[in-house]
Amino acid sequence: DGGITQSPKYLFRKEGQNVTLSCEQNLNHDAMYWYRQDPGQGLRLIYYSQIVNDFQKGDIAEGYSVSREKKESFPLTVTSAQKNPTAFYLCASSPGTLNQLPTYEQYFGPGTRLTVT
Amino acid sequence: GEDVEQSLFLSVREGDSSVINCTYTDSSSTYLYWYKQEPGAGLQLLTYIFSNMDMKQDQRLTVLLNKKDKHLSLRIADTQTGDSAIYFCAESMAPYSSASKIIFGSGTRLSIRP
Repeated sequence: DGGITQSPKYLFRKEGQNVTLSCEQNLNHDAMYWYRQDPGQGLRLIYYSQIVNDFQKGDIAEGYSVSREKKESFPLTVTSAQKNPTAFYLCASSPGTLNQLPTYEQYFGPGTRLTVT
Repeated sequence: GEDVEQSLFLSVREGDSSVINCTYTDSSSTYLYWYKQEPGAGLQLLTYIFSNMDMKQDQRLTVLLNKKDKHLSLRIADTQTGDSAIYFCAESMAPYSSASKIIFGSGTRLSIRP
């Protein structure tokens, strides 16, 4: 089945440690995204990648880093510089305009809930 | 700037219709979306509407778009307990490069009363 997987579902870390969240897709999508969701708030874009080996900062990139070495994978590292890392993190992908699909819709993974104490 | 606004809560009786409203600010939006998020899960695309349409119906879902007022609504007919979720309105801008930028509202939590 095609889809997006995020692991683990729950992650606990001590303050000051870096942590990497996994995101994998087998939809053959060009574009991938990371969002952060806090209670009662919408999704805020952290980073996005249009194509392999390329990525851009979103609205709240400070304290985060990403890599896009493979089309299928877009891991997010939450560094110790992120002041308030506890949140629900969502990964998404979209075909991208390179595939001429017009709707620009994004497909989401199930999310990872990160708790830092 | 870009903004999508929706009310935070809606409570309806089982079997009634639910109407979730949304306003957006950017008149250059290409597509407008409704996503559903069940507890502890990712977002699932429910439906979308292209900005040159004013209505789209898909089984129990009806989307109405008033482009003049920049107002989008989602009507769920015969609301069931399984419709309990957070509903996000979103707009996509004219695409830049090959990735789409989608702006999400803060979500409306729909609860169903027996």
